[in-house]
Amino acid sequence: SQQGEEDPQALSIQEGENATMNCSYKTSINNLQWYRQNSGRGLVHLILIRSNEREKHSGRLRVTLDTSKKSSSLLITASRAADTASYFCATKGGDWGSARQLTFGSGTQLTVLP
Amino acid sequence: DVKVTQSSRYLVKRTGEKVFLECVQDMDHENMFWYRQDPGLGLRLIYFSYDVKMKEKGDIPEGYSVSREKKERFSLILESASTNQTSMYLCASSDRGFFQPQHFGDGTRLSIL
Repeated sequence: SQQGEEDPQALSIQEGENATMNCSYKTSINNLQWYRQNSGRGLVHLILIRSNEREKHSGRLRVTLDTSKKSSSLLITASRAADTASYFCATKGGDWGSARQLTFGSGTQLTVLP
Repeated sequence: DVKVTQSSRYLVKRTGEKVFLECVQDMDHENMFWYRQDPGLGLRLIYFSYDVKMKEKGDIPEGYSVSREKKERFSLILESASTNQTSMYLCASSDRGFFQPQHFGDGTRLSIL
């Protein structure tokens, strides 16, 4: 079953602008991860935020997590054409039974226009 | 650098055939995963393995089986391929632990005619 749902499904912005993608999930989590997928390639891990963290930064990426609303956002600042890709959130459950696997959302397609 | 290799980028098979998709990782990871990816549905977990000869069903195991005889290799088997199994198949591996990311191969685009 799908846990994360990304919003919007597609986003088109100009180079230099910021891009914000949102993810909502349904059950309690241990951590939430964001992945990127270039066309025709596999997914690449970007950043992980633990359930007891509220914000995390990595380079031009900023991730927030609100466990009371069961939602997360990914902000890419000063976007570049090379950021064009699909972005997925993925959750890891809080109980031992779901600890090994991730549950992925359906993704946001980001297009950055030069 | 971490590497997950899938044996084929593109594969075309006929309905009823037995199809094998192979995945090899060079990172000595305990966990390995098979997903299928379809437009609008994201990634759906088919099977995963957390040790040699161990396997667990994911969300959509029907019509598939897996084999893990060696730690580095995880095979996905379509017992009798059907057209609704046409999809992108992604393999991933991860180290043990709650906070380990998954590392993905580049995928196999499988068409069943």
